Amino acid sequence: DAMVIQNPRYQVTQFGKPVTLSCSQTLNHNVMYWYQQKSSQAPKLLFHYYDKDFNNEADTPDNFQSRRPNTSFCFLDIRSPGLGDAAMYLCATSTRQDNYEQYFGPGTRLTVT
Amino acid sequence: AQRVTQPEKLLSVFKGAPVELKCNYSYSGSPELFWYVQYSRQRLQLLLRHISRESIKGFTADLNKGETSFHLKKPFAQEEDSAMYYCALMNAGNMLTFGGGTRLMVKP
Repeated sequence: DAMVIQNPRYQVTQFGKPVTLSCSQTLNHNVMYWYQQKSSQAPKLLFHYYDKDFNNEADTPDNFQSRRPNTSFCFLDIRSPGLGDAAMYLCATSTRQDNYEQYFGPGTRLTVT
Repeated sequence: AQRVTQPEKLLSVFKGAPVELKCNYSYSGSPELFWYVQYSRQRLQLLLRHISRESIKGFTADLNKGETSFHLKKPFAQEEDSAMYYCALMNAGNMLTFGGGTRLMVKP
């Protein structure tokens, strides 16, 4: 089954300790997104890649970085996690051929202690 | 700026009752609207989009540009419809803005 995979599903990190979340896809979609979803809130777009072109949302904190080494993989790096960064992080993909319908991964729940 | 509003955080109905989940939007361009659903412990998935004009799992949604609404409706709710529902708007840059979500609980 073609899909979007996120690892790990649950991640615990310490305050200020860098953490990396990963996303991979077998859909061969050229667009990949990272969203942050806090409890009882809507998913909020952090950034997206259109092919290798990185696009940061204006209000995404500098603490959040991303890498996309190839079409299949995308990483979210949080350089110095704060307690306020505890959230569910969702990865999604899309392609023009599908009218940019977004396919979501299961998410990684990040806890900051 | 675009905005999506779902006024109800929680909607509770009995099985077999009609359901309407409200969604209002503001957007200066021509909107493309979606409903996403998240069942318990599952990923967010597309339920329907207005351009396809389909009925999925008995749900329909009509875009009303005059009222800037895209309400989701189902005539007879089923217990398996219990989930979190998000309305979303896609802008000209193909980016989604989500509403705050409505939790639908269908009681037996």
